[in-house]
Amino acid sequence: AQSVTQPDIHITVSEGASLELRCNYSYGATPYLFWYVQSPGQGLQLLLKYFSGDTLVQGIKGFEAEFKRSQSSFNLRKPSVHWSDAAEYFCAVVASQAGTALIFGKGTTLSVSS
Amino acid sequence: DTGVSQNPRHKITKRGQNVTFRCDPISEHNRLYWYRQTLGQGPEFLTYFQNEAQLEKSRLLSDRFSAERPKGSFSTLEIQRTEQGDSAMYLCASSSNIGGAFFGQGTRLTVV
Repeated sequence: AQSVTQPDIHITVSEGASLELRCNYSYGATPYLFWYVQSPGQGLQLLLKYFSGDTLVQGIKGFEAEFKRSQSSFNLRKPSVHWSDAAEYFCAVVASQAGTALIFGKGTTLSVSS
Repeated sequence: DTGVSQNPRHKITKRGQNVTFRCDPISEHNRLYWYRQTLGQGPEFLTYFQNEAQLEKSRLLSDRFSAERPKGSFSTLEIQRTEQGDSAMYLCASSSNIGGAFFGQGTRLTVV
């Protein structure tokens, strides 16, 4: 069965420092991969997505993610974190080539210290 | 484009009562999804519509849950005989293709 693992439940980084959030997936075929962000009281917002092609994808708010098939990973990165980036981040994969439901990881909570 | 709209935003109900939530997707989106999210967890898939057809249901969707999408526009999710374990955030999302779904702000259900 398809699954997504986010190994880090909670991460704290200093404002201005770089960030990397880990995501590993289990899926036999070519995955469609996504990162979403959820701020308190807000809905899930799509940061970026990977379907095929260039393995480094750029998203909104200065985020990027790199797909590494050999490691079954799709880690999210940002070179310089801002206090407003504090939120919960979810990695997700589409369940099948038919393209239906997203399967989400359990999320990583990001705290930003000043 | 006003985004995905969900109503109500909050619902408190007594155990055993029925509740119904509404989702209005982005107008040009033919795909609509319902998810459930509990504290500390990622969203869990419940069901999926393409236009008015309900194409997929999770095993999480017990017999007490029913969803409809008449005319392929808005959707409703009904929970009958609510239980305390139904307390969660119910999220609706829509998309036009496989390119990433847009989520509403959710309906928070509390069963007392």
